Amino acid sequence: EVQLVESGGGLVQPGGSLRLSCAASGFTFSNYWMTWVRQAPGKGLEWVANINQDGSRKQYVDSMKGRFTISRDNAKSSLYLQMNSLRAEDTAEYYCATSEEYAFSYWGQGILVTVSS
Amino acid sequence: QTVVTQEPSFSVSPGGTVTFTCGLSSGSVSTTSYPSWYQQTPGQAPRTLIYNTNKRSSGVPDRFSGSILGNKAALTITGAQADDESHYYCLLFVGSAIWVFGGGTKLTVL
Repeated sequence: EVQLVESGGGLVQPGGSLRLSCAASGFTFSNYWMTWVRQAPGKGLEWVANINQDGSRKQYVDSMKGRFTISRDNAKSSLYLQMNSLRAEDTAEYYCATSEEYAFSYWGQGILVTVSS
Repeated sequence: QTVVTQEPSFSVSPGGTVTFTCGLSSGSVSTTSYPSWYQQTPGQAPRTLIYNTNKRSSGVPDRFSGSILGNKAALTITGAQADDESHYYCLLFVGSAIWVFGGGTKLTVL
């Protein structure tokens, strides 16, 4: 069974940093593009970033370029999102998901990030 | 900046049929946009319904179908049920490994 489990969320002050992790199991992690999606409270889904199988190709939504960095460790079947210079508007539930056939197929349960003083 | 448009809300009677659409602020949606659709109920992670325009994800009932209607992607629910009451999001591939979600459609079944 495919499982994606996010961790590392919590409360952080504006300007602070946080590193999210996503532990994958039940499939061959190194074969898949992976992605991060977020959802602000009461709002819609927003694609954040994705990374190809060997980590050599990364793409970000424009508003997060330079602040967020996606990475992966295939040996650990783990995906990461390093978030710097956090702002109140980055407060959201963050989901990791597998990406195949130009869609997001399996999703984690999400992890909440709250940016507040 | 690419904006993906969806109807904010829809209502349907139990057993009825409803079609949501997903468009682009500039340009047309085609199969090369690889439209996909996601269902989300409050407090839950999204669930993938349709990918690559019209392919159903594993376990998705065949009352859900995807298509291209004119210059938009479409999700049709035929024979709506009470537990279809959810938010529905479309996702489009806009090139260069960039994806954009629509704002979502809230479906009420009553």
